[in-house]
Amino acid sequence: QITLKESGPTLVKPTQTLTLTCTFSGFSLSTSGVGVGWIRQPPGKALEWLALIYWDDDKRYSPSLKSRLTITKDTSKNQVVLTMTNMDPVDTATYYCAHTSFMITFKPFDYWGQGTLVTVSS
Amino acid sequence: SYVLTQPPSVSVAPGQTARITCGGNNIGSKSVHWYQQKPGQAPVLVVYDDSDRPSGIPERFSGSNSGNTATLTISRVEAGDEADYYCQVWDSSSDHHVVFGGGTKLTVL
Repeated sequence: QITLKESGPTLVKPTQTLTLTCTFSGFSLSTSGVGVGWIRQPPGKALEWLALIYWDDDKRYSPSLKSRLTITKDTSKNQVVLTMTNMDPVDTATYYCAHTSFMITFKPFDYWGQGTLVTVSS
Repeated sequence: SYVLTQPPSVSVAPGQTARITCGGNNIGSKSVHWYQQKPGQAPVLVVYDDSDRPSGIPERFSGSNSGNTATLTISRVEAGDEADYYCQVWDSSSDHHVVFGGGTKLTVL
């Protein structure tokens, strides 16, 4: 079965760079059509999409955060890494990674990790 | 950028039908996906491509999409359906970005 799990620091200081890792199993990012995305959710607020990477290394970013985000994949380790620069307290949120795919049309996020809470504070 | 508008809250008595809307410009031309999120849990996909259900999702959950409004319908609402619900589309007008609605809190009275 497909599982995903996020890992990274729980606390970062303002202006620092956040690096999160999504480690997954049950699928391969070298398989045509497969993708992994990152979504975050500030406490008590709505879901916000951040970034997405596909099997062919096609990368998409949220227009509002594009300048601060980088998404990469390590197919051999079954991992996707998201970096976000210049962290601010407003970036405090639970960060999720999720599986998706592209088959003629873009598919939903059908499997999600449990999420990891990142707090930005000095 | 494309905007999805959801009502902040919907309330319904047990056994009744809940309808949660998701508004967007010509959303009927897009595929809409719906997620259920209970407190402290990750979102769960309940409807995809407007009206399809993933395996394991009860038939009580259904969806429709036309014009400028997509709707998630939950029939015979149960206490366990109380959750936040989010709609999501792909915005093909902006290099295929993901867009989420603001979420709707479903309260079972």
